[in-house]
Amino acid sequence: DTAVSQTPKYLVTQMGNDKSIKCEQNLGHDTMYWYKQDSKKFLKIMFSYNNKELIINETVPNRFSPKSPDKAHLNLHINSLELGDSAVYFCASSQDTLPTGYTFGSGTRLTVV
Amino acid sequence: AQSVAQPEDQVNVAEGNPLTVKCTYSVSGNPYLFWYVQYPNRGLQFLLKYITGDNLVKGSYGFEAEFNKSQTSFHLKKPSALVSDSALYFCAVRVTGGFKTIFGAGTRLFVKA
Repeated sequence: DTAVSQTPKYLVTQMGNDKSIKCEQNLGHDTMYWYKQDSKKFLKIMFSYNNKELIINETVPNRFSPKSPDKAHLNLHINSLELGDSAVYFCASSQDTLPTGYTFGSGTRLTVV
Repeated sequence: AQSVAQPEDQVNVAEGNPLTVKCTYSVSGNPYLFWYVQYPNRGLQFLLKYITGDNLVKGSYGFEAEFNKSQTSFHLKKPSALVSDSALYFCAVRVTGGFKTIFGAGTRLFVKA
C-alpha cells in the first residue's frame, strides 16, 4: 500500500546510456514532481505535472524528459547519461488544490560510471 | 525571488534537552511553510505546515514550529529531544497560489544520548 513508489531503487549505468525512472502514486493526487538531491543533500526541483500538464520546467538539460501518461504516473527519462547526473532522484505528489505538504517516494539512487 | 535559508548546517543537542532548528524565508506574497525530515536512505517525510491562523503549529513526533511574520522565520522546535530525532531536517516555502515549493539546504540534527 505504498503511497508513492519509485522504481528502480538503485540504478548503476555507464556514461552515454539512456535510462528511465518510474513513479506511481495511489493517493489520488493531481500533481507530481521530480526533485534531484545532490551529494550535499541539496534538493532542487526539476519538473512538475498537474493533471498531466507540465507546469514547472526548471533549468534542466534537454537530456532529461518527463512523461506523465496519467495523473498517477510520472516517469523520468534521461538520455546520454553523464557523471554529473549521479544523484538521488525523488518523486513526490500533492493535491494542489489544497495547501498540503508533499508525499515523497523513497528515491532512486542513480550512479553513472 | 523566493528563497529559504537554514543558517545551521548542523545542530547538536543532548537527549532530553530542547531543540531548535532555524529557518528564515523570503517570498513576495503570503507563504505556506513546511518542515520535512529525512532519515538515512529514505525519502522526505512531512512533519508540519503553517498555512494561516495560529502562529504555533504542532506536527508529528512532538515537533512544533512558530511562524514569525515580522522576522520571516519558521523555526522548528521540540521540548525534549530523543536520540531517534537525529536526521536531516528541511524547511520549505511555497507562495500562495503558486505551484513551486523551494527547499532549504537542510540542517543535520544530532541528538546525543
